[in-house]
Amino acid sequence: DIQMTQSPSSVSASVGDRVTITCRASQDLSRWLAWYQQKPGKAPKRLIYAASSLQSGVPSRFSGSGSGTDYTLTISSLQPEDFATYYCQQANSFPITFGQGTRLDIK
Amino acid sequence: QVQLQESGPGLVKPSETVSLTCTVAGYSISSGLYWGWIRQPPGKGLEWIGSIHYSGTTYYNTPLKSRVTISVDTSKNQFSLILSSVTAADTAVYYCARRVFWNDYPDSWGQGTLVTVSS
Repeated sequence: DIQMTQSPSSVSASVGDRVTITCRASQDLSRWLAWYQQKPGKAPKRLIYAASSLQSGVPSRFSGSGSGTDYTLTISSLQPEDFATYYCQQANSFPITFGQGTRLDIK
Repeated sequence: QVQLQESGPGLVKPSETVSLTCTVAGYSISSGLYWGWIRQPPGKGLEWIGSIHYSGTTYYNTPLKSRVTISVDTSKNQFSLILSSVTAADTAVYYCARRVFWNDYPDSWGQGTLVTVSS
């Protein structure tokens, strides 16, 4: 199984800040990676797929990059509605696996 | 716009079997793609359970494979999850979703249903 490790596990930031979350895979994903946002009591929402493709309707302040085993999600200017938990997910092979999550809190 | 809705019992006793159904609206399961189940224990991360194609082809996560059955009913535009011999470790929110397959990314999710295993 491909192990996905996110860092940091949690981060505190302020509105307007730039935040970067990292996801490292135990093997090359060939950019088969997605990012999700989850708010309390809600289902995950897909933000980015194929490492850097922005999901329709998702604000352009969200961006993804990376290749091989290392990927990043960047929020360029935090908005109040962005405080949530973020997960990466690899789609390179079965079983589909997720990172452990990064909780983004208001500072 | 596709919508998914999970249904099933909220409380199950240890060693029993839980059955959940996902009803899909706004998209025909028979159109293709893979449909799947993902769960999330309270306060924890996401775990893929398994996936199914309308043809009936299934894939299961190895740790759960001996206890899981996923089936599809195209006439009702539904797919279902059966999990047997449940324990407290199976307590989780269970989500159904579309595009749950390798080389694809879940794009539409149900709201989730909490299954609690307790006597």
